[in-house]
Amino acid sequence: DGGITQSPKYLFRKEGQNVTLSCEQNLNHDAMYWYRQDPGQGLRLIYYSQIVNDFQKGDIAEGYSVSREKKESFPLTVTSAQKNPTAFYLCASTPTGYTEAFFGQGTRLTVV
Amino acid sequence: AQSVTQPDIHITVSEGASLELRCNYSYGATPYLFWYVQSPGQGLQLLLKYFSGDTLVQGIKGFEAEFKRSQSSFNLRKPSVHWSDAAEYFCAVGLYNQGGKLIFGQGTELSVKP
Repeated sequence: DGGITQSPKYLFRKEGQNVTLSCEQNLNHDAMYWYRQDPGQGLRLIYYSQIVNDFQKGDIAEGYSVSREKKESFPLTVTSAQKNPTAFYLCASTPTGYTEAFFGQGTRLTVV
Repeated sequence: AQSVTQPDIHITVSEGASLELRCNYSYGATPYLFWYVQSPGQGLQLLLKYFSGDTLVQGIKGFEAEFKRSQSSFNLRKPSVHWSDAAEYFCAVGLYNQGGKLIFGQGTELSVKP
């Protein structure tokens, strides 16, 4: 079945460490997105990419980095510069800019 | 600036009762509107979408929503709620002149009483 796979489902990180969240899709979608979800705040956009080797900052990009070397992959790195990284992270994709987004199952990151 | 407001943080309804979740948006152009549902610890599933045309749209699981341009609203409704509908519901606006990103409301948590 086609879909979006995020891994791992749960991730624990020590303060000061970088950590990378994986997002892979086999839907042949062009655009991919990373959102952060905090209780009571909905989802906020971190980064997005419309084509390979190109990406743009979203509303809360500070402390995060991404790459888009392959159409099907869009990993997110949470760096030590991110002051409050504990959150639920959701990856999404769309075939074009004019349809609904499809979401992965999320990764819960906890800083310990 | 674009924004989405869901005025109700938490709603409790009895099983079998009707449901309406409110959503108001602020967007200068014709909006692309969505309702998503999320179970605890899971991703988001699309319930329904409005792009153009008929202002009453039907979705999955018996949900419908009505787009009212004059009120900048896109309220979600269901005539008879089931216990399995307990979840968090998000309204969103799609910004297709900004790479297709979504602006989400804060979410409404729905509880269902037996």
